[in-house]
Amino acid sequence: DQQVKQNSPSLSVQEGRISILNCDYTNSMFDYFLWYKKYPAEGPTFLISISSIKDKNEDGRFTVFLNKSAKHLSLHIVPSQPGDSAVYFCAARGSGAGSYQLTFGKGTKLSVIP
Amino acid sequence: ETGVTQTPRHLVMGMTNKKSLKCEQHLGHNAMYWYKQSAKKPLELMFVYNFKEQTENNSVPSRFSPECPNSSHLFLHLHTLQPEDSALYLCASSRLGGGDNQPQHFGDGTRLSIL
Repeated sequence: DQQVKQNSPSLSVQEGRISILNCDYTNSMFDYFLWYKKYPAEGPTFLISISSIKDKNEDGRFTVFLNKSAKHLSLHIVPSQPGDSAVYFCAARGSGAGSYQLTFGKGTKLSVIP
Repeated sequence: ETGVTQTPRHLVMGMTNKKSLKCEQHLGHNAMYWYKQSAKKPLELMFVYNFKEQTENNSVPSRFSPECPNSSHLFLHLHTLQPEDSALYLCASSRLGGGDNQPQHFGDGTRLSIL
C-alpha cells in the first residue's frame, strides 16, 4: 500500500501561471517532506523541503505547503517557466530509528507550455 | 549536479554475467543509499549505509550485493540477475546527525537492461 501518493500523473500549465502539484500521505509518523525534480536521463534533484513543525516554506518561485491534519502537501511554482517542465516527486521521512529512509510518490509530470 | 557520480550510465548484461555499479560522492556525506526505479513505480530503497555500516536491507534478493569500502564510495555487485531487474538504479548520499533535516542528493543513475 502506497504511503505517499501523487494522484495526478501529469499536469499542463501555461507559462507565467501557477503550477500546483499535490501529494497525500497516510503515515502520521512522517515529519519531514521533500520535493524532488527530475529531468529525463538525470537523477532527481532536491528542490525544497518542509518540516512538520511548519506549514509553509518558500524558496524563490517555489513554495511548499503542509496541512498535517489533512496529511496533504502541495508545491506551488509561480510563475511557471518552460524550464520547470520535469517530473516532480514528493517524498516523506519518519522520525526516530530508520528516519533516514525516504518514501517516494510515483511522480507528477509537469509540462509548462510557452 | 556532479556531487554524486554513478558509473556506468548504461549497462546491458546477460543473466549469467557478473557486473558492478559504482557510486562516488564528493559532498562529505556520511550516508549512502541504493534505490531502484522501475517503470511506473515509485523509487524503492534497496540499501542504506551509515558510516560504512549497512543499516538497511529492504528485502533485496541476494543477487544484489552492496559494498561500501568508505563513506565516499558505494558499489552494487550484480550476479545472475533476472529480466525483471531491468530498471534505473540510483545512488544517493546525505549527511546524518547534527539535528538538522538534510536532504538526500542523487546521482544520475545507471540504466540497467537484462537480456
